[in-house]
Amino acid sequence: AQSVTQLGSHVSVSEGALVLLRCNYSSSVPPYLFWYVQYPNQGLQLLLKYTSAATLVKGINGFEAEFKKSETSFHLTKPSAHMSDAAEYFCAVSEKAAGNKLTFGGGTRVLVKP
Amino acid sequence: DTAVSQTPKYLVTQMGNDKSIKCEQNLGHDTMYWYKQDSKKFLKIMFSYNNKELIINETVPNRFSPKSPDKAHLNLHINSLELGDSAVYFCASSQQGGVDYTFGSGTRLTVV
Repeated sequence: AQSVTQLGSHVSVSEGALVLLRCNYSSSVPPYLFWYVQYPNQGLQLLLKYTSAATLVKGINGFEAEFKKSETSFHLTKPSAHMSDAAEYFCAVSEKAAGNKLTFGGGTRVLVKP
Repeated sequence: DTAVSQTPKYLVTQMGNDKSIKCEQNLGHDTMYWYKQDSKKFLKIMFSYNNKELIINETVPNRFSPKSPDKAHLNLHINSLELGDSAVYFCASSQQGGVDYTFGSGTRLTVV
């Protein structure tokens, strides 16, 4: 069964500092991996996804993530945090064998300090 | 033009009532989903339909009954509402076997 673990339910960064959000997954087959962002009282917006092409995936708003099979990780980074990055971030995995459902991690809330 | 639209956006109701949430997608997708986000922000799938056929039912209480009249619509009916049903419910869609999911903006259900 697929599962996702996000380390750290809260991350606080200073504006301009590196943002690093950690995600580890468990999957019996090569997975599809996703990062979503949720701003307060809004829906889910896709930041980026990995679908077995390049292991370094670039997304919107300056975010990128690297798929590391040996570490079963898909960490999300952004070199320089902006105040507008304050939001909840979700890592997710999907498998065709699981009906293509998305299984989400518990989420990481990012706070950006001025 | 909204791709996945849910109505209502907010729903406040009393325990024991029956309510429905509607979802429509205009993307031509074959598969639709309902997800529940609880008060701790945890997101979990409830149901998935492919071309009107139920393919995923994640041990949801049978007070929850999804209905898909056609592949563009997936509604969620909830009987005998309980306090614990308070959550944000998200509808989503994708092509069958695809990895591009589109989410609705959510329905915030509050049971009092």
